[in-house]
Amino acid sequence: AQRVTQPEKLLSVFKGAPVELKCNYSYSGSPELFWYVQYSRQRLQLLLRHISRESIKGFTADLNKGETSFHLKKPFAQEEDSAMYYCALSGQNTGNQFYFGTGTSLTVIP
Amino acid sequence: EPEVTQTPSHQVTQMGQEVILRCVPISNHLYFYWYRQILGQKVEFLVSFYNNEISEKSEIFDDQFSVERPDGSNFTLKIRSTKLEDSAMYFCASSEGRPDSYEQYFGPGTRLTVT
Repeated sequence: AQRVTQPEKLLSVFKGAPVELKCNYSYSGSPELFWYVQYSRQRLQLLLRHISRESIKGFTADLNKGETSFHLKKPFAQEEDSAMYYCALSGQNTGNQFYFGTGTSLTVIP
Repeated sequence: EPEVTQTPSHQVTQMGQEVILRCVPISNHLYFYWYRQILGQKVEFLVSFYNNEISEKSEIFDDQFSVERPDGSNFTLKIRSTKLEDSAMYFCASSEGRPDSYEQYFGPGTRLTVT
């Protein structure tokens, strides 16, 4: 069965410190992995997807099929990074379904 | 920049009543979705809609739920007889193509409170 696990509900880091938000998945086949972000009082929006291999707002995420992980990383956290982050999964096997993790609330302490 | 819109922002209804949540997807998008998020829990997929029919639905989307695209712009979610456990935030989303290849754009959500 498809599943996305984000083990940390809350994560606090100091400004300038590295940040890593963990995401593990369970999927039979080739998954498409995404990170969505929700800033305070704003709507869910796409941050990045593994297929594009982009760095958005300094964030990167590498799909590790061996560890079935898609952790989100940023070397130097900024206060404006404080938000709710959701890892999500889709793929050929899921049709048009989209599976979200439970989310991690990131707080960057000034 | 075009956005997905949803109305109302907050709906309060009594148990057993029917509710219709409305969404206006981005105009050139072809795929439409409904998700829900019960307070403190994860965002859960309900249904996807393409080419005027349901293309996928989750176990949550039972006979109490239905979706419709009554005209060229609106996309609605109807809950026939609401239960207390239907209280949640409901998000509409749309995308140009399949969700594994195209970004989904989310609406701001409708908070449904069933009393």
